[in-house]
Amino acid sequence: KAGVTQTPRYLIKTRGQQVTLSCSPISGHRSVSWYQQTPGQGLQFLFEYFSETQRNKGNFPGRFSGRQFSNSRSEMNVSTLELGDSALYLCASSALPVASGKDTQYFGPGTRLTVL
Amino acid sequence: GQSLEQPSEVTAVEGAIVQINCTYQTSGFYGLSWYQQHDGGAPTFLSYNALDGLEETGRFSSFLSRSDSYGYLLLQELQMKDSASYFCAVLGSGGYQKVTFGTGTKLQVIP
Repeated sequence: KAGVTQTPRYLIKTRGQQVTLSCSPISGHRSVSWYQQTPGQGLQFLFEYFSETQRNKGNFPGRFSGRQFSNSRSEMNVSTLELGDSALYLCASSALPVASGKDTQYFGPGTRLTVL
Repeated sequence: GQSLEQPSEVTAVEGAIVQINCTYQTSGFYGLSWYQQHDGGAPTFLSYNALDGLEETGRFSSFLSRSDSYGYLLLQELQMKDSASYFCAVLGSGGYQKVTFGTGTKLQVIP
C-alpha cells in the first residue's frame, strides 16, 4: 500500500506570495491533518479534514486554509506569505477521524517551504 | 489547553537502555502516543497508550500514568539507528480534539 505523498517536496517563495501544498493520503484513509514544524515552535497542529469537512483547527491566522476533495486528497493554502512561515509542512492521514482516538496517523515526507 | 514537556537531549550508549520522559498538563485526552523522527524525515508512529500501564512493542515500551500526568518511552538494546528525535503527543478529548505534540527529545546513541 502506497504511503502518504506530498507535493512539492521543496518550495521557495517570497514574502507576500501565496502557496498551495498538496497531500495524497493512504488509499482508504479519509482523515488528513496538517502540521507545521519549525525549530522554535516544534510540531503544531494546523487543521484536520475528514470526508471533505474541516473538523478541527489549530491556532493559526486565517491566512492558513485548506480543503479536502472527494477522493480524500487535501490541499493547504497560505496567503500573503511571511518570513515566519518558513517551515516543514507535514500532512498525516488516518482511516478514522483523529478524535476517534482509535487510529494511527501516518505522516508524509513533508514540504519544506522557504520564504525569502 | 495542553502542554507536554520532554528533556531536550539524551545521550546513551549502544546496547544500553534509555528512558525518555513526557510530563503533561492537559484537561483531558484519549491517549498518549510516541513518534520517532530522523533528521530530514517524517515522524513515524511508535506506540500508543490509551490506558495506564506499560505497552510493549519489540525493543520499545511506553508507559502512562494519568494520576501522575506522566509517561515515558523506554528503548532497549539501543542501536545506532535509534539516534533520532522522539515526540510524545496527546489527542485531546471533549472540546479540544486535536493532537498536541511534546517539545521533542533528541536521542544520540554513541558507540
